[in-house]
Amino acid sequence: QVLLQQWGGGLLKPSETLSLTCSVSDDSISNSNYWWGWIRQPPGKGLEWIGEINHSGSTNYNPSLKSRVTISVDTSKNQFSLNLSSVTAADTAVYYCARVVVPTGEAYYFDYWGQGTLVTVSS
Amino acid sequence: DIVMTQSPDSLAVSLGERATVNCKSSQSVFYSSNNKNYLAWYQQKPGQPPKLLIYWASTRESGVPDRFSGSGSGTDFTLTISSLQAEDVAVYYCQQYYRTPKTFGQGTKVEIK
Repeated sequence: QVLLQQWGGGLLKPSETLSLTCSVSDDSISNSNYWWGWIRQPPGKGLEWIGEINHSGSTNYNPSLKSRVTISVDTSKNQFSLNLSSVTAADTAVYYCARVVVPTGEAYYFDYWGQGTLVTVSS
Repeated sequence: DIVMTQSPDSLAVSLGERATVNCKSSQSVFYSSNNKNYLAWYQQKPGQPPKLLIYWASTRESGVPDRFSGSGSGTDFTLTISSLQAEDVAVYYCQQYYRTPKTFGQGTKVEIK
């Protein structure tokens, strides 16, 4: 059973940088059958895809966030991370990490999810 | 972006009865070269992350009860719970992975009548 454990975030002030890390257990982040992604969910609202990365560092980002998002991978620690700069109240959400299934070379749907981390942006 | 619109926003169904959730995409998510619809369904219970139920519009994820089924093609899709159980109370989301950015429907809340 693949386990994704995430940490970071908490309470941030506007203009600060959000930083989250997701650690993967019982799977190698270098497994070429998967990418590794981030999704967020504002309180009481729906899901928004942020972006994803593979083991070699190739990334896809949501264009709506691309100017502020950086996703990185550390294969030695079997972890990947999310940085979101210049946060505002609109970035308040539960952030999830997830494994992305790659059946044909492109990253598609999410089969395992982290537990979620609430990030609140408030002055 | 491909906009995913679910209907209804919420529904209440009696235990043992059928529940049907609809999802419509703003453009087709069917890829003719491999005859696949690039659509997934998730279940989210309160305080939990989403759980994958269905991918390729109709393929059930391992371990998902067979009372859950997905159907549809092109722009119109349906998630059916054939006999609603108490543990199925949740919000259900569709997601397209045909084109970046991946996008989700707004969610449909399923409750017991």
